[in-house]
Amino acid sequence: EVQLVESGGGLVQPGRSLRLSCAASGFTFNDYAMHWVRQAPGKGLEWVSNILWNGGSAAYADSVKGRFTISRDNAKKSLYLEMNSLRAEDTALYFCAKVRVGGDPDDAFDVWGQGTLVTVSS
Amino acid sequence: DIQMTQSPSSLSASVGDRVTITCRASQSISNHLNWYQQKPGKAPKLLIYAASSLQYGVPSRFSGSGSGTDFTLTISSLHPEDFSSYYCQQRYSTPLTFGGGTKVEIK
Repeated sequence: EVQLVESGGGLVQPGRSLRLSCAASGFTFNDYAMHWVRQAPGKGLEWVSNILWNGGSAAYADSVKGRFTISRDNAKKSLYLEMNSLRAEDTALYFCAKVRVGGDPDDAFDVWGQGTLVTVSS
Repeated sequence: DIQMTQSPSSLSASVGDRVTITCRASQSISNHLNWYQQKPGKAPKLLIYAASSLQYGVPSRFSGSGSGTDFTLTISSLHPEDFSSYYCQQRYSTPLTFGGGTKVEIK
C-alpha cells in the first residue's frame, strides 16, 4: 500500500524552530518529486514547497521563503521540512504529498499523508 | 502569482442533483488544472488532473472541463458521500496555487 506518514508537529513558541518528517512506503520514493501543503484551521489549502526526486532543486511559497527548508533522504525514504522563525500564521495542518508521475515535478498530488498539526503560540 | 478563484464558495444540493463548480485562473494556464475533494479532518483526494482526466478509482459521475482560464468540475448525480469540500489547483507555474474551495452541503 502506498502510504505517507507525517510526524514532528506540535506546539511551539513564536520565533522557534520545528522539523517535520514524512515517511514514505509502498512506492519507489526516489523516483518522485515531493511537496508540502498546509491548511490553517478552517481555511483552504496552501502550497508550501517542493523538491525534485534527487533533492537537486527546491521551490518555496513566498510566505515561507528564507525560513523553511525542504530536504529528503532517499535512502531512508523520508521527506523533511525544517521550519525556522515560526510565526502565528504558520499554524496549520501540514501535509506531505507525492506527485502522480515521477518525471513531472509539479504533477497532481495523488497520495497525501494524514497531516501533522503545527501550532505556533506563546 | 496565478490567482485561482472558485465559485460558489458554498452550495446546498440534494442527493441526485447535478452540481457544477467553477474555477477561474488570473491568466491562461492551458489545461494545467487539478481538482481535489476534501472531507473534514481528512487529507485531500485527487479527482481530476489535467483539467479533464479522471484519476484512477474516481467514480465516473465526476468530470472536468475547460482550458485557458475557465474550468468546471461537474458531479452528474450527487451521492451522499459527495457532500464535501472541493478545491481546484493550478500547476502551470510555481508557486502552485489553490482556489479558495467550494463546500457542497446537504439541502
